[in-house]
Amino acid sequence: KQEVTQIPAALSVPEGENLVLNCSFTDSAIYNLQWFRQDPGKGLTSLLLIQSSQREQTSGRLNASLDKSSGRSTLYIAASQPGDSATYLCAVGLTQGGSEKLVFGKGTKLTVNP
Amino acid sequence: DAGVIQSPRHEVTEMGQEVTLRCKPISGHNSLFWYRQTMMRGLELLIYFNNNVPIDDSGMPEDRFSAKMPNASFSTLKIQPSEPRDSAVYFCASRVDRFFTGANVLTFGAGSRLTVL
Repeated sequence: KQEVTQIPAALSVPEGENLVLNCSFTDSAIYNLQWFRQDPGKGLTSLLLIQSSQREQTSGRLNASLDKSSGRSTLYIAASQPGDSATYLCAVGLTQGGSEKLVFGKGTKLTVNP
Repeated sequence: DAGVIQSPRHEVTEMGQEVTLRCKPISGHNSLFWYRQTMMRGLELLIYFNNNVPIDDSGMPEDRFSAKMPNASFSTLKIQPSEPRDSAVYFCASRVDRFFTGANVLTFGAGSRLTVL
C-alpha cells in the first residue's frame, strides 16, 4: 500500500528565507507527483505537477524535484513571504486495478513570519 | 469558469440524520473525486467517477455512505444515518481524463464542513 510522508509537520521561518519541504513515498510506481497548497478553511490549489518521466518543475519562486528511485520529492520555496503561509501537501498519482487516484501526505504547515 | 462548486459549505446535524453533500464539477471535466479530510487521517479518497461511472469506491467507509453521479454536471455524497465520527471536511475535485498523459491537474472545490453532534 502506497504511503506518503511529509516531514516536518510544521515549519516556522522568518521572511526572506529559502526553505525546503520534503515528501517521501513507499512505492516508486507512480505516474506523477503533485504539490498542493491549502489555506485555512479553503480547498486545495495545485502548485506544481511533475510527471514520472520528469525530474523537476518550476513556477516562479517554487521548484519541485522528483527522485522516483529513492521515493522522494522536495518543494523549494525561494525568498519566502508571509503570503506563503499555508499547508503544503504532496500527492502521488498511481494506478491500481485500472483506476487512477492520488494518495496524499498529511502536509507541512508553513508559517512565514514578517 | 466558476471552478468546482460544493454545497453546503457548512452543515451541522444531529446523529442519525441524513446528510447530502452536492458537487458541480468544472464543465468539460470527465472525472470526479470525493475526498474526506480529518486531522487524524488527512485526505482520504472515498470514491471516484469517470464519465459518470463509479470506478473505485474502495475508500467508502461503510454502507452508510453512498455516492451518485446522475450526469456530467452533478454528484452527491450521502450519509445515512450520520454519526459523530463522520465529522470532517468533504472535498469534491474534478479533472479531465480523456487522454492519459500523467499531466492532468486535479481541481478542488472549497469543501463542505460537516459536524455531526
